[in-house]
Amino acid sequence: NAGVTQTPKFQVLKTGQSMTLQCAQDMNHEYMSWYRQDPGMGLRLIHYSVGAGITDQGEVPNGYNVSRSTTEDFPLRLLSAAPSQTSVYFCASSYATGNEAFFGQGTRLTVV
Amino acid sequence: GENVEQHPSTLSVQEGDSAVIKCTYSDSASNYFPWYKQELGKRPQLIIDIRSNVGEKKDQRIAVTLNKTAKHFSLHITETQPEDSAVYFCAASRGGSYIPTFGRGTSLIVHP
Repeated sequence: NAGVTQTPKFQVLKTGQSMTLQCAQDMNHEYMSWYRQDPGMGLRLIHYSVGAGITDQGEVPNGYNVSRSTTEDFPLRLLSAAPSQTSVYFCASSYATGNEAFFGQGTRLTVV
Repeated sequence: GENVEQHPSTLSVQEGDSAVIKCTYSDSASNYFPWYKQELGKRPQLIIDIRSNVGEKKDQRIAVTLNKTAKHFSLHITETQPEDSAVYFCAASRGGSYIPTFGRGTSLIVHP
């Protein structure tokens, strides 16, 4: 049982480049979310999904897109990377919002 | 939406001492309160949670208390050990389609 798998683990981008952070879970969880973690700011919600075909914005959605075509996958797309998007990104999934969230290993992204 | 305040941001204790981390929340409909531990370079992982129908829950050296009237909950760690050093996050959720809101985290340092 792999849990939540995130790729890549590290990434360096140039300003203006685009990329997709991958997230997959094998627990048949309906709820998936993306967070960014910056020093002193905790975990801030970027986008989330309550099921396949349904996504919504979180606290800091600007500059990011998501889609949820299957229950298992929830990719995060950076459309045009900016230095302000330098951060550690975590994907998480849960059976329900009132249950334990399982996090991926994280992606450390640097935009230069 | 929900707002979760967490204090202190940094807590330094001697090995064997107790540590207390406090969180307040704003949404009176919140009914699920998890605590996550994040070791350096690792993903957050659930260590204990409490639901609104319970006032206190213990698991060995850790305990969580909840005061719904005052809308605050706390994490208590007794007999701290160096391996307790980590960042701890509280969160609050009202269930349904509401993704949990996280506090900004507390960096706990346990000195040998």
